[in-house]
Amino acid sequence: AQSVTQLDSQVPVFEEAPVELRCNYSSSVSVYLFWYVQYPNQGLQLLLKYLSGSTLVKGINGFEAEFNKSQTSFHLRKPSVHISDTAEYFCAALTSGTYKYIFGTGTRLKVLA
Amino acid sequence: ETGVTQTPRHLVMGMTNKKSLKCEQHLGHNAMYWYKQSAKKPLELMFVYSLEERVENNSVPSRFSPECPNSSHLFLHLHTLQPEDSALYLCASSQGPGAYEQYFGPGTRLTVT
Repeated sequence: AQSVTQLDSQVPVFEEAPVELRCNYSSSVSVYLFWYVQYPNQGLQLLLKYLSGSTLVKGINGFEAEFNKSQTSFHLRKPSVHISDTAEYFCAALTSGTYKYIFGTGTRLKVLA
Repeated sequence: ETGVTQTPRHLVMGMTNKKSLKCEQHLGHNAMYWYKQSAKKPLELMFVYSLEERVENNSVPSRFSPECPNSSHLFLHLHTLQPEDSALYLCASSQGPGAYEQYFGPGTRLTVT
Protein backbone atom coordinates (compact mmCIF):
# COMPACT_ATOMS: atom_id res chain seq x y z
CA ALA A 1 0.00 0.00 0.00
CA GLN A 2 1.12 3.52 -0.66
CA SER A 3 2.42 5.47 2.33
CA VAL A 4 4.27 8.67 3.11
CA THR A 5 6.66 8.94 6.04
CA GLN A 6 7.94 12.12 7.61
CA LEU A 7 10.38 10.93 10.23
CA ASP A 8 10.87 14.27 12.00
CA SER A 9 7.85 15.54 13.88
CA GLN A 10 9.66 18.72 14.93
CA VAL A 11 12.74 20.50 13.57
CA PRO A 12 14.17 23.50 15.41
CA VAL A 13 16.68 25.59 13.47
CA PHE A 14 18.25 29.00 13.93
CA GLU A 15 17.39 31.85 11.61
CA GLU A 16 19.54 32.01 8.44
CA ALA A 17 20.66 28.39 8.88
CA PRO A 18 19.88 25.74 6.24
CA VAL A 19 17.17 23.18 6.81
CA GLU A 20 16.16 19.83 5.36
CA LEU A 21 12.79 18.21 6.04
CA ARG A 22 12.71 14.56 5.17
CA CYS A 23 10.02 12.67 3.29
CA ASN A 24 10.02 9.07 2.16
CA TYR A 25 7.28 7.37 0.22
CA SER A 26 6.45 3.83 -0.68
CA SER A 27 4.70 2.93 -3.88
CA SER A 28 5.10 0.24 -6.47
CA VAL A 29 3.82 2.48 -9.25
CA SER A 30 4.42 6.00 -10.49
CA VAL A 31 3.62 8.75 -8.03
CA TYR A 32 3.36 12.48 -8.04
CA LEU A 33 4.87 14.18 -4.98
CA PHE A 34 3.96 17.41 -3.22
CA TRP A 35 5.04 19.59 -0.33
CA TYR A 36 2.46 21.78 1.40
CA VAL A 37 2.86 24.31 4.21
CA GLN A 38 0.29 25.14 6.87
CA TYR A 39 0.53 28.33 8.90
CA PRO A 40 -1.43 28.59 12.17
CA ASN A 41 -5.21 28.80 11.70
CA GLN A 42 -4.89 28.48 7.94
CA GLY A 43 -5.39 25.81 5.32
CA LEU A 44 -2.54 24.15 3.45
CA GLN A 45 -0.68 25.96 0.68
CA LEU A 46 1.33 24.27 -2.07
CA LEU A 47 5.11 24.85 -1.91
CA LEU A 48 6.14 22.68 -4.85
CA LYS A 49 5.36 19.50 -6.71
CA TYR A 50 7.12 16.84 -8.75
CA LEU A 51 5.23 15.31 -11.66
CA SER A 52 8.02 14.27 -14.04
CA GLY A 53 11.20 15.57 -15.65
CA SER A 54 13.96 17.25 -13.69
CA THR A 55 14.39 15.70 -10.27
CA LEU A 56 15.22 19.05 -8.66
CA VAL A 57 12.08 21.06 -8.15
CA LYS A 58 12.01 24.69 -7.09
CA GLY A 59 9.05 26.14 -5.25
CA ILE A 60 7.87 29.30 -3.60
CA ASN A 61 9.60 31.12 -0.74
CA GLY A 62 13.04 29.78 -1.70
CA PHE A 63 12.23 26.12 -1.04
CA GLU A 64 13.36 23.26 -3.26
CA ALA A 65 13.08 19.50 -3.20
CA GLU A 66 14.83 16.63 -4.92
CA PHE A 67 13.08 13.51 -6.12
CA ASN A 68 15.25 10.43 -5.58
CA LYS A 69 13.62 7.36 -7.06
CA SER A 70 16.22 4.87 -5.85
CA GLN A 71 15.86 6.07 -2.26
CA THR A 72 12.13 6.78 -2.63
CA SER A 73 12.68 10.18 -1.06
CA PHE A 74 11.51 13.73 -1.69
CA HIS A 75 13.31 15.87 0.87
CA LEU A 76 12.56 19.56 1.18
CA ARG A 77 15.41 22.05 1.59
CA LYS A 78 15.98 25.74 2.10
CA PRO A 79 19.49 27.24 2.28
CA SER A 80 18.61 30.01 4.72
CA VAL A 81 15.41 30.08 6.79
CA HIS A 82 13.52 33.04 8.19
CA ILE A 83 11.36 33.41 11.27
CA SER A 84 8.36 33.56 8.94
CA ASP A 85 9.07 29.99 7.77
CA THR A 86 7.86 28.70 11.14
CA ALA A 87 4.94 26.45 10.20
CA GLU A 88 3.95 22.83 9.67
CA TYR A 89 5.10 21.14 6.47
CA PHE A 90 3.34 18.21 4.85
CA CYS A 91 4.63 15.82 2.23
CA ALA A 92 2.01 14.13 0.04
CA ALA A 93 1.89 11.54 -2.73
CA LEU A 94 -0.65 10.80 -5.40
CA THR A 95 -0.53 7.50 -7.25
CA SER A 96 -0.68 8.08 -10.97
CA GLY A 97 -4.15 7.35 -12.36
CA THR A 98 -5.96 7.60 -9.00
CA TYR A 99 -7.43 10.26 -6.76
CA LYS A 100 -5.90 8.85 -3.59
CA TYR A 101 -3.81 11.60 -2.07
CA ILE A 102 -1.74 10.28 0.86
CA PHE A 103 -0.25 12.75 3.32
CA GLY A 104 2.52 12.35 5.86
CA THR A 105 2.03 13.26 9.52
CA GLY A 106 3.74 16.61 9.09
CA THR A 107 6.94 18.24 10.35
CA ARG A 108 6.73 21.29 12.56
CA LEU A 109 9.54 23.68 11.62
CA LYS A 110 10.42 26.17 14.33
CA VAL A 111 12.84 28.90 13.36
CA LEU A 112 14.67 30.42 16.33
CA ALA A 113 16.02 33.95 16.50
CA GLU B 1 -14.62 36.47 -1.15
CA THR B 2 -11.66 34.83 -2.81
CA GLY B 3 -10.16 31.35 -2.71
CA VAL B 4 -11.85 28.66 -0.66
CA THR B 5 -14.12 29.57 2.24
CA GLN B 6 -15.55 27.32 4.92
CA THR B 7 -18.36 27.88 7.39
CA PRO B 8 -18.67 27.64 10.26
CA ARG B 9 -15.09 27.98 11.48
CA HIS B 10 -15.91 26.32 14.79
CA LEU B 11 -18.70 23.88 15.64
CA VAL B 12 -19.60 22.08 18.84
CA MET B 13 -22.25 19.41 18.56
CA GLY B 14 -23.70 16.62 20.62
CA MET B 15 -23.63 13.03 19.49
CA THR B 16 -27.31 13.08 18.56
CA ASN B 17 -27.25 16.36 16.63
CA LYS B 18 -27.37 16.88 12.89
CA LYS B 19 -25.25 19.63 11.41
CA SER B 20 -23.66 20.55 8.09
CA LEU B 21 -20.33 21.99 7.07
CA LYS B 22 -20.22 24.24 4.04
CA CYS B 23 -17.40 24.88 1.59
CA GLU B 24 -17.40 27.34 -1.30
CA GLN B 25 -14.70 27.90 -3.89
CA HIS B 26 -14.41 31.05 -5.98
CA LEU B 27 -11.67 29.76 -8.29
CA GLY B 28 -13.64 28.16 -11.11
CA HIS B 29 -12.31 24.73 -10.23
CA ASN B 30 -13.91 21.43 -11.19
CA ALA B 31 -12.79 19.19 -8.31
CA MET B 32 -13.48 19.47 -4.59
CA TYR B 33 -12.28 17.48 -1.60
CA TRP B 34 -13.01 16.87 2.07
CA TYR B 35 -10.15 16.04 4.42
CA LYS B 36 -10.01 15.22 8.14
CA GLN B 37 -7.05 16.54 10.13
CA SER B 38 -6.56 15.02 13.59
CA ALA B 39 -3.71 15.72 15.98
CA LYS B 40 -0.68 13.46 15.50
CA LYS B 41 -2.25 11.73 12.48
CA PRO B 42 -1.79 12.19 8.76
CA LEU B 43 -4.28 14.28 6.86
CA GLU B 44 -6.99 11.85 5.75
CA LEU B 45 -8.71 12.20 2.40
CA MET B 46 -12.43 11.56 2.85
CA PHE B 47 -14.19 12.37 -0.43
CA VAL B 48 -13.36 13.64 -3.90
CA TYR B 49 -15.84 15.22 -6.29
CA SER B 50 -15.19 15.91 -9.96
CA LEU B 51 -17.79 17.95 -11.83
CA GLU B 52 -20.29 17.26 -9.04
CA GLU B 53 -19.79 13.49 -9.27
CA ARG B 54 -18.24 11.64 -6.35
CA VAL B 55 -15.16 9.86 -7.63
CA GLU B 56 -13.56 8.79 -4.36
CA ASN B 57 -14.98 7.65 -1.04
CA ASN B 58 -12.13 6.67 1.20
CA SER B 59 -13.99 4.19 3.44
CA VAL B 60 -15.68 6.95 5.38
CA PRO B 61 -18.43 5.98 7.86
CA SER B 62 -21.98 6.67 6.71
CA ARG B 63 -22.51 9.21 9.52
CA PHE B 64 -20.61 11.56 7.18
CA SER B 65 -22.64 12.37 4.08
CA PRO B 66 -21.20 14.65 1.38
CA GLU B 67 -23.19 16.68 -1.11
CA CYS B 68 -21.95 18.63 -4.12
CA PRO B 69 -24.88 20.52 -5.71
CA ASN B 70 -22.62 22.38 -8.15
CA SER B 71 -18.92 22.77 -8.84
CA SER B 72 -18.62 25.74 -6.47
CA HIS B 73 -20.24 24.28 -3.36
CA LEU B 74 -19.53 21.25 -1.21
CA PHE B 75 -21.29 20.20 1.96
CA LEU B 76 -20.55 17.63 4.63
CA HIS B 77 -23.66 16.54 6.49
CA LEU B 78 -23.02 15.16 9.95
CA HIS B 79 -25.28 12.98 12.08
CA THR B 80 -24.84 10.80 15.17
CA LEU B 81 -21.13 11.53 15.36
CA GLN B 82 -18.71 10.05 17.89
CA PRO B 83 -16.21 11.92 20.08
CA GLU B 84 -13.36 10.54 17.95
CA ASP B 85 -14.79 12.47 15.02
CA SER B 86 -13.61 15.68 16.67
CA ALA B 87 -11.03 17.17 14.31
CA LEU B 88 -10.30 19.93 11.83
CA TYR B 89 -12.22 19.36 8.61
CA LEU B 90 -10.56 20.87 5.57
CA CYS B 91 -12.09 21.51 2.19
CA ALA B 92 -9.98 21.91 -0.93
CA SER B 93 -10.50 22.47 -4.62
CA SER B 94 -8.39 22.02 -7.72
CA GLN B 95 -8.62 22.53 -11.44
CA GLY B 96 -9.16 18.82 -11.90
CA PRO B 97 -9.11 15.68 -9.75
CA GLY B 98 -5.63 14.63 -10.84
CA ALA B 99 -2.18 15.98 -10.13
CA TYR B 100 -3.21 19.60 -9.83
CA GLU B 101 -2.44 22.02 -7.05
CA GLN B 102 -5.08 21.90 -4.35
CA TYR B 103 -6.28 25.11 -2.73
CA PHE B 104 -7.37 24.64 0.86
CA GLY B 105 -9.85 26.48 3.00
CA PRO B 106 -9.06 27.40 6.62
CA GLY B 107 -11.06 24.48 7.98
CA THR B 108 -13.90 23.90 10.44
CA ARG B 109 -12.84 22.92 13.95
CA LEU B 110 -15.42 20.32 15.03
CA THR B 111 -15.87 19.19 18.61
CA VAL B 112 -18.26 16.33 19.36
CA THR B 113 -19.40 16.19 22.98
